[in-house]
Amino acid sequence: KAGVTQTPRYLIKTRGQQVTLSCSPISGHRSVSWYQQTPGQGLQFLFEYFSETQRNKGNFPGRFSGRQFSNSRSEMNVSTLELGDSALYLCASSFAGGGTEAFFGQGTRLTVV
Amino acid sequence: AQRVTQPEKLLSVFKGAPVELKCNYSYSGSPELFWYVQYSRQRLQLLLRHISRESIKGFTADLNKGETSFHLKKPFAQEEDSAMYYCALSAIGNEKLTFGTGTRLTIIP
Repeated sequence: KAGVTQTPRYLIKTRGQQVTLSCSPISGHRSVSWYQQTPGQGLQFLFEYFSETQRNKGNFPGRFSGRQFSNSRSEMNVSTLELGDSALYLCASSFAGGGTEAFFGQGTRLTVV
Repeated sequence: AQRVTQPEKLLSVFKGAPVELKCNYSYSGSPELFWYVQYSRQRLQLLLRHISRESIKGFTADLNKGETSFHLKKPFAQEEDSAMYYCALSAIGNEKLTFGTGTRLTIIP
């Protein structure tokens, strides 16, 4: 079956702009989580959605938001971009969440200039 | 608060030698522990989790609650084991994964 798909793979944005990243989970998976990966901070949890509801949230400012659609696809939005938002954003899906295996996408590389 | 510590950023081991990647955690409840691996140009993938108690690609990891450790071991390293390894923790029933900073393992032929 198809894996987790993230689009786009690469993005370049200017400070102050906003950006939307997309994640299509594995068919049948209802939980989608987002992570930010940077050389300095490593992998950090952003939030998790399950059946269109945000179930968990990490320690990121309100500029980072997300949503999940009825088909489990998820989007992540970052508003008023800052240079420090440059990172690899990873999406992971799992069947039910709660410790079941998480399958990761290839990531979206966001560069803010 | 959840915290995962991987003390070694880099680890080089000769082919055929034993491998041990260290992972210590801090969590007040009962955790679920995982090892994720990222091979060159591939996506992050689950290697093993403590709850399944299985050996994957020759790797094993035992949860030691007394020492709050979940070290990854393999008796004989192979060249294809070269990769980035992440230890991760979640609370039971919670999807949020807290990752360590990772250890880059290089197997020397």
